[in-house]
Amino acid sequence: DTEVTQTPKHLVMGMTNKKSLKCEQHMGHRAMYWYKQKAKKPPELMFVYSYEKLSINESVPSRFSPECPNSSLLNLHLHALQPEDSALYLCASSQRQVGNQPQHFGDGTRLSIL
Amino acid sequence: QKEVEQNSGPLSVPEGAIASLNCTYSDRGSQSFFWYRQYSGKSPELIMSIYSNGDKEDGRFTAQLNKASQYVSLLIRDSQPSDSATYLCAVRPQGGKLIFGQGTELSVKP
Repeated sequence: DTEVTQTPKHLVMGMTNKKSLKCEQHMGHRAMYWYKQKAKKPPELMFVYSYEKLSINESVPSRFSPECPNSSLLNLHLHALQPEDSALYLCASSQRQVGNQPQHFGDGTRLSIL
Repeated sequence: QKEVEQNSGPLSVPEGAIASLNCTYSDRGSQSFFWYRQYSGKSPELIMSIYSNGDKEDGRFTAQLNKASQYVSLLIRDSQPSDSATYLCAVRPQGGKLIFGQGTELSVKP
């Protein structure tokens, strides 16, 4: 079990659907991250939130829309996704964005686009 | 471009042996170094952090850092079949984003 909780664990959606991924942590961390991971590849950074503000957007297509409602929650809104967006989506958190603290990952959401 | 390199493997060791995983990085300003273990179909799990030159031991795991040579390694003593996983080396340059290596697949044979 991890201290970063992601829901749902699995999601299958069509290309016209709208869905959201959710992430929650109660470790008092002020930096939260979304990563995308394809099979046999390392995690690829998508977004970073620091103190609930978007700090980094790694040129992610607009069909992915992040949201940080408060310091414990992070959402990723999905709309009009493509089959190549099928992947494991990982949420992570760390004490601060800047510094030496490690990032802790949630269990991930496995997303399949039909 | 800042890079982290690992041998992709697979690295195969017999049960009870020492597994040695290596990682090199290009940015001399890197400050923090991490090893994550990732089982197939699961998420990365932090197993070691190291910040200064030398060795850091935690149970059967030892992380070694040599900033002058820009490498970091992970030794797993008394390897068990349950250690079979992909090991991701991650490096954070000062003030920068976490950079992952491609991962080394470890297989421990009974």
